[in-house]
Amino acid sequence: DQQVKQNSPSLSVQEGRISILNCDYTNSMFDYFLWYKKYPAEGPTFLISISSIKDKNEDGRFTVFLNKSAKHLSLHIVPSQPGDSAVYFCAASESGGSNYKLTFGKGTLLTVNP
Amino acid sequence: DVKVTQSSRYLVKRTGEKVFLECVQDMDHENMFWYRQDPGLGLRLIYFSYDVKMKEKGDIPEGYSVSREKKERFSLILESASTNQTSMYLCASSLYGSRREQYFGPGTRLTVT
Repeated sequence: DQQVKQNSPSLSVQEGRISILNCDYTNSMFDYFLWYKKYPAEGPTFLISISSIKDKNEDGRFTVFLNKSAKHLSLHIVPSQPGDSAVYFCAASESGGSNYKLTFGKGTLLTVNP
Repeated sequence: DVKVTQSSRYLVKRTGEKVFLECVQDMDHENMFWYRQDPGLGLRLIYFSYDVKMKEKGDIPEGYSVSREKKERFSLILESASTNQTSMYLCASSLYGSRREQYFGPGTRLTVT
């Protein structure tokens, strides 16, 4: 059973526009959420995180929004740049003793066209 | 900056061989992890370790074992490699505590023929 779902395998956006990547989760014990970016033949790089006590966290061009009632989070990239083209993974962590463990979605391939 | 290094970027092994993948982190992190990444399946946790000599199974431990003799080093062992273990293997580390970000190495692309 997939607890973290990224329903869009791919997304294509024009340079300068907004990219919106979506993620849904089913486990109500998740209380910390992260986004990672991955280029081919490289390891994932941590981008931004959000705790369930917040509904928004911003870092430069990247903003993550969390809607707990809908069990949904999204990553906004504004403005999108060609260098943002990568696979983006959503991940979630439970509260309590297993909080070191991350559950990942299957990823969304973002392509930013010049 | 956290540095996680993996012993090889690319590896080709034959079916039945014993394979060792090594990972070293330089930030004194308590937790270390091994994942595999396959197209359409995302990252799946194989094993993790929260302390020296301590290990726990992840979601897909079958066919793998691990070793952590020193805090900075975490090894993944394929006792008898099979073709279905052809994959990208990723090591990660994290601090114990409320910050849950994991930091990843560059990955090892293993091909078993």
